[in-house]
Amino acid sequence: NAGVTQTPKFRILKIGQSMTLQCTQDMNHNYMYWYRQDPGMGLKLIYYSVGAGITDKGEVPNGYNVSRSTTEDFPLRLELAAPSQTSVYFCASSRLRVETQYFGPGTRLLVL
Amino acid sequence: TQLLEQSPQFLSIQEGENLTVYCNSSSVFSSLQWYRQEPGEGPVLLVTVVTGGEVKKLKRLTFQFGDARKDSSLHITAAQTGDTGLYLCAGKDSNYQLIWGAGTKLIIKP
Repeated sequence: NAGVTQTPKFRILKIGQSMTLQCTQDMNHNYMYWYRQDPGMGLKLIYYSVGAGITDKGEVPNGYNVSRSTTEDFPLRLELAAPSQTSVYFCASSRLRVETQYFGPGTRLLVL
Repeated sequence: TQLLEQSPQFLSIQEGENLTVYCNSSSVFSSLQWYRQEPGEGPVLLVTVVTGGEVKKLKRLTFQFGDARKDSSLHITAAQTGDTGLYLCAGKDSNYQLIWGAGTKLIIKP
């Protein structure tokens, strides 16, 4: 089973560039989440989705956008990359909000 | 803002020793989870504790939820090199959102 997959694994962006972080899950989970993990800090929720067509902001949504056109995919868009967005980004999914979240391997992003 | 503080931030011990790491908050959580994360991978759930005072065992790992559901501990008996990793705690708030601690980086030396 693939579970949650994320691409790319690593990316370097210049300030002001844009990119999309891809996330796909094959477990037919309703809920999907995007987190960022900074050194010495806990994971912070950026956006989440309760199903196709429905998304909502988490704790740190500024500078990011998401969409959920299918159950499987939940891409995260950075429109104007800033050095403060240098981080490791994790996508996760769960069947229900109260159930276990399963995490992808992460995308390491460096903005210079 | 709810915060979860983990201590110590870093711990390096010899194989065979025992250790305890802590997760503390001033807030009450409906449940608390412990995850282990290895380099280049996402967190993997180890256990969920729900009831105040609850103790759960996973082989050599013992997890306890505080009576007031504000704190938790993870005790490892006879640590092995395979226990090396980043241990994260996360509390679930009333909106089912996870509030994460910064983690304890554990290194077990052979």
